[in-house]
Amino acid sequence: DSGVTQTPKHLITATGQRVTLRCSPRSGDLSVYWYQQSLDQGLQFLIQYYNGEERAKGNILERFSAQQFPDLHSELNLSSLELGDSALYFCASSVAVGQGNEKLFFGSGTQLSVL
Amino acid sequence: DAKTTQPTSMDCAEGRAANLPCNHSTISGNEYVYWYRQIHSQGPQYIIHGLKNNETNEMASLIITEDRKSSTLILPHATLRDTAVYYCIVRLRNYGGSQGNLIFGKGTKLSVKP
Repeated sequence: DSGVTQTPKHLITATGQRVTLRCSPRSGDLSVYWYQQSLDQGLQFLIQYYNGEERAKGNILERFSAQQFPDLHSELNLSSLELGDSALYFCASSVAVGQGNEKLFFGSGTQLSVL
Repeated sequence: DAKTTQPTSMDCAEGRAANLPCNHSTISGNEYVYWYRQIHSQGPQYIIHGLKNNETNEMASLIITEDRKSSTLILPHATLRDTAVYYCIVRLRNYGGSQGNLIFGKGTKLSVKP
């Protein structure tokens, strides 16, 4: 158990809908990362937050957004869903950002299926 | 883009050492070498990381060549539960913004066989 909690574990929805994925980082971790893993693209970095502020953006679509709340949990919002958005979405957390030496701990993921 | 090159797949007999190579010929002096693994569809799991010196922990050993252009992850006594995709990643030692995020490549699919 990595200590990172993601909910829900599975999500089935239809095209055009909007969903919210939730992540609770490990106790004491200030940085949260979101990754998407699809069969053809592998693990893709989406976005990173540190202590409530956006720190870095990767290959995140404009239809996707995220935020980190004062209690440090994070939510990833996916809207106008398309079939191609079906994927595993992972959240990871780390203690800090800027050292390059800290480990990332990953949650067990949310499996999103868009039908 | 990933800055590492790994074999697509490898096999290892149960109980034997698994040696997973990684080429990172463009690595800079302030970049760490990290190894993560992903078992089936679980979240990636940290294994080990190093800068210049060889490292060992309870999971594995990391051997980095003197010129730092390649490294080898060693699982000393592989078990069936070590079957996974192993990712070798280089990461800036001090970073800001997106430079320090873990960029995953395709990794090596290690199959441990009885």
